[in-house]
Amino acid sequence: GEDVEQSLFLSVREGDSSVINCTYTDSSSTYLYWYKQEPGAGLQLLTYIFSNMDMKQDQRLTVLLNKKDKHLSLRIADTQTGDSAIYFCAESSDNAGNMLTFGGGTRLMVKP
Amino acid sequence: KAGVTQTPRYLIKTRGQQVTLSCSPISGHRSVSWYQQTPGQGLQFLFEYFSETQRNKGNFPGRFSGRQFSNSRSEMNVSTLELGDSALYLCASSPGQGPHEQYFGPGTRLTVT
Repeated sequence: GEDVEQSLFLSVREGDSSVINCTYTDSSSTYLYWYKQEPGAGLQLLTYIFSNMDMKQDQRLTVLLNKKDKHLSLRIADTQTGDSAIYFCAESSDNAGNMLTFGGGTRLMVKP
Repeated sequence: KAGVTQTPRYLIKTRGQQVTLSCSPISGHRSVSWYQQTPGQGLQFLFEYFSETQRNKGNFPGRFSGRQFSNSRSEMNVSTLELGDSALYLCASSPGQGPHEQYFGPGTRLTVT
């Protein structure tokens, strides 16, 4: 099946930038998403990018998509302790309705 | 606009029992998808409903079933519960038929003893 991979863990200092990376295998991916999950909570949609875009910026968040390398990244500027959470990337494709394939999640720890 | 709601939030069941979970999507959204989240397997797609029809199904046994009503509310049922069914069950709603942004509910935490 299609695969989405993420590194497990990232630790940064408060105020620094965080970059969370994701690779995917499905060349027919239409949308790529970033979700945030805090302990005991559901998934919060942070941002998404259509596959024909290279970049999307939304306040402190910047998404970069390299379609050739099937690589997606999420940059969080001025990372705060409240950004500590698990971040999931996910993809969906035209031939699979709204089915999302998720990566395993990256745990971001922000140290004061 | 109210978000996706799921009931109940927590459930404890015994092996062999069955359980029904409910999801109310965001108003106007016609697609509801269900996911199972476990520490070992991560987030796995169960099924998706659009206009009362199941459009996609993940790789789960037939003990897992679902349905969608005319008001887009959805239920999922798990029969003959096993210990391994203990998980956070998440539902997501989306406006339409193709890939779109999807919004998740808070989940139902099911514990099977």
